[in-house]
Amino acid sequence: EAGVAQSPRYKIIEKRQSVAFWCNPISGHATLYWYQQILGQGPKLLIQFQNNGVVDDSQLPKDRFSAERLKGVDSTLKIQPAKLEDSAVYLCASSLVGWSTASEAFFGQGTRLTVV
Amino acid sequence: GQSLEQPSEVTAVEGAIVQMNCTYQTSGFYGLSWYQQHDGGAPTFLSYNALDGLEETGRFSSFLSRSDSYGYLLLQELQMKDSASYFCAASGNTPLVFGKGTRLSVIA
Repeated sequence: EAGVAQSPRYKIIEKRQSVAFWCNPISGHATLYWYQQILGQGPKLLIQFQNNGVVDDSQLPKDRFSAERLKGVDSTLKIQPAKLEDSAVYLCASSLVGWSTASEAFFGQGTRLTVV
Repeated sequence: GQSLEQPSEVTAVEGAIVQMNCTYQTSGFYGLSWYQQHDGGAPTFLSYNALDGLEETGRFSSFLSRSDSYGYLLLQELQMKDSASYFCAASGNTPLVFGKGTRLSVIA
């Protein structure tokens, strides 16, 4: 089966610019996650979707970050405007079962964002 | 909310056994997962424990004690390719949350 697809793989932007990341989860996976991983740290959850509804976005900086999952499949994560501290790898993951019992999440290769 | 604690680094010799610990604080805990991440790569799933006890998958074993809010990942017959970061992650009535990871270095 195809894995989680993300694009682009790399992005360099200047601070205050906007950027968008795209994720296509594994077919049939109801749950989709966006994580931010700063170098040397563990993935930090930004937002979790169950189908096209938001389960948790408590750690999403909503003044600059937004995410949507139209039709419960693909998802986009946007940053506007970007700050230097947003430099990180943005990982998308999906899982088959509901969030409360999720045992395995499948990750994409991530988008490495550098803000200069 | 949930928080997980892991030692930041561990070094072990090729062919040996290494144990990496994880303690967690959570509400509505369901289970503990383990993920491996090589530098520049994506996290990949290793194991999941929902019940107390040991789960074995080849050279990898994972243990959970719900009463102690504690788990560990055990790697046997270490190989150089096992050098990576290992993350525990807790699932429950809050979304999947990861620890900061243990960086394992396997030396000859």
